[in-house]
Amino acid sequence: EAQVTQNPRYLITVTGKKLTVTCSQNMNHEYMSWYRQDPGLGLRQIYYSMNVEVTDKGDVPEGYKVSRKEKRNFPLILESPSPNQTSLYFCASARQGAGYEQYFGPGTRLTVT
Amino acid sequence: QKEVEQNSGPLSVPEGAIASLNCTYSDRVSQSFFWYRQYSGKSPELIMSIYSNGDKEDGRFTAQLNKASQYVSLLIRDSQPSDSATYLCAVNYRNDYKLSFGAGTTVTVRA
Repeated sequence: EAQVTQNPRYLITVTGKKLTVTCSQNMNHEYMSWYRQDPGLGLRQIYYSMNVEVTDKGDVPEGYKVSRKEKRNFPLILESPSPNQTSLYFCASARQGAGYEQYFGPGTRLTVT
Repeated sequence: QKEVEQNSGPLSVPEGAIASLNCTYSDRVSQSFFWYRQYSGKSPELIMSIYSNGDKEDGRFTAQLNKASQYVSLLIRDSQPSDSATYLCAVNYRNDYKLSFGAGTTVTVRA
């Protein structure tokens, strides 16, 4: 089954404790992206990657890091999480030339206390 | 500032009626337009994409694009309770992969 997977799906952590949210896709998509969704603010892009070893900032990159060492994986790293990073996070992927249609993972609900 | 605006909800329609959702965007060079459906607590699901002026129909869904007026709409015919969700309009601005999303319109279909 073609899909984007994320882990963990739910995470409660404390301020300052480094964490990684994994994202993997099995569709051989070149493009991957991370979004956060907050009430009243909608979906906002954090980082994106056009291909392996190619990443760039989105609209709200502060406090986040990413890496793209393999085509299928695009982890999101929070080096020192803060309460304002409490949010619902989505990973998405798209195939190059496919009309830029993005497909989303199931989401990770992160709470930072 | 590139913006995507959707008509504010919530939108309540009776079962079997047509739900009409509107979206306007601010950049004339926008190329690709998408409608996503998002159930509460779930991820956005792509339901329609449209790239050229006119109508595109897929089952009970019809997307309409008017680039001159910078709007895109989604019609849901014969609305069902399962259509109750938030609908997100997304616009691709630079003919690349970056999408800008509207805030969404919540639709409730009452039986």
